[in-house]
Amino acid sequence: EAGVVQSPRYKIIEKKQPVAFWCNPISGHNTLYWYLQNLGQGPELLIRYENEEAVDDSQLPKDRFSAERLKGVDSTLKIQPAELGDSAVYLCASSLGDTNTGELFFGEGSRLTVL
Amino acid sequence: GNSVTQMEGPVTLSEEAFLTINCTYTATGYPSLFWYVQYPGEGLQLLLKATKADDKGSNKGFEATYRKETTSFHLEKGSVQVSDSAVYFCALQVFASYGKLTFGQGTILTVHP
Repeated sequence: EAGVVQSPRYKIIEKKQPVAFWCNPISGHNTLYWYLQNLGQGPELLIRYENEEAVDDSQLPKDRFSAERLKGVDSTLKIQPAELGDSAVYLCASSLGDTNTGELFFGEGSRLTVL
Repeated sequence: GNSVTQMEGPVTLSEEAFLTINCTYTATGYPSLFWYVQYPGEGLQLLLKATKADDKGSNKGFEATYRKETTSFHLEKGSVQVSDSAVYFCALQVFASYGKLTFGQGTILTVHP
């Protein structure tokens, strides 16, 4: 069974440019998460989707970040315009249903460098 | 608020040595506790968990006991292997937060032959 797939794995852009990250969750997982991981820190939740609905986006900086999950399967996270402080790893995770078990399945992440 | 503090790393051990990675937490409400591991080139994966006080989570020779009185969830392994080299994250989830995990900063473990 395929795991959570993210692309690109690495992206280098100049500040003020836009960037987008794509995630395909594990088949059948209706809950999808985007986490942000800054260097030397643990991941922090940005947004959680139940199917196509964003049910928790309280940590998403909405002035420059946006996300979508149009058909309730794959998802895109966009930053426009990017700032130097956005350099980080963007992690996508999925789970089967609304989980209180804490078992999330993570992709390998997309590492962003903003110059 | 919720927070998780892990011992500072990195940790370097010889094969077959005993491992302890300390983890303490603060939480509003009664959390479930987790250890996630990230092997080189892979995504984070759940290593073990405990959902109530005095529970012991175990997997792959690793163990951690949920200690409510000391708000701790230390990770231990009696004999580490080179293949255990990875980054280890302690995390918590309070009830009804649905996948919103609060992670520690991670501890890099390197095991030498």
